Amino acid sequence: GQNIDQPTEMTATEGAIVQINCTYQTSGFNGLFWYQQHAGEAPTFLSYNVLDGLEEKGRFSSFLSRSKGYSYLLLKELQMKDSASYLCAVKDSNYQLIWGAGTKLIIKP
Amino acid sequence: NAGVTQTPKFRVLKTGQSMTLLCAQDMNHEYMYWYRQDPGMGLRLIHYSVGEGTTAKGEVPDGYNVSRLKKQNFLLGLESAAPSQTSVYFCASSYLPDRGGQPQHFGDGTRLSIL
Repeated sequence: GQNIDQPTEMTATEGAIVQINCTYQTSGFNGLFWYQQHAGEAPTFLSYNVLDGLEEKGRFSSFLSRSKGYSYLLLKELQMKDSASYLCAVKDSNYQLIWGAGTKLIIKP
Repeated sequence: NAGVTQTPKFRVLKTGQSMTLLCAQDMNHEYMYWYRQDPGMGLRLIHYSVGEGTTAKGEVPDGYNVSRLKKQNFLLGLESAAPSQTSVYFCASSYLPDRGGQPQHFGDGTRLSIL
C-alpha cells in the first residue's frame, strides 16, 4: 500500500527553527509537495521537490532524498502566524497526490 | 482573484437527505478534484475530472456522485446522506498534473454534518 508518515504534532518557540519530517512509500514518485493549512482554512501550496536536494524559499526550505523516501520542511525565524498544519503529499506513478495526515505546529512566545 | 469557490460553506443534513456541493474555478484548469478531510487522516480523493464531461473515481467514491458539465464547474452529490459522510469537503483544481510542480489550488471547504 501507499503510505505517508509525518509527526502528528510539534511545538516550537517564536524566533526558533523547526524541521518537519515526512517519509513516504508510494507506487512511483513524480514529486513531493508541502502545503500549509491554517485551522478552518484551505491548504495552500508551499513548495515542490522532484530532484534530490534543498529548495529554499525565504524562511521556508524543503529537502528531498528519493533514495531514502524522505523529505523535510525547515521553517526558520518562526513567527506566531506559522502556527498551522503542514501537509506532505507525494505524486505517485498515476500523477495522483497521496497525502499525509499533516503535522500540527504550535508556536509558543 | 476568486480562484476556487465552494458553496455552501456549512450545511447540516439529516440521514437520508440529498444535497449537491458546488465548486467553481476561474483559472481555466483542466483537472478538478473533490476531497474529504477527517481528523487524523490525510486528504482522501473522492472523485476527480480530467476535463469537461469526464469524471473518474478516487480512493473513497462510494455514496457520492459527480458531474462536470462545464470546464469551470465540478459538482459533488450525496444521494442519501449517512453520518459517516460528516466531514470537511474540499474542491481543488490544477493544470495537467504531469506538468512538473503544478500545485493543486483549493477552495475554502464545505463543513457538512449529517445527523
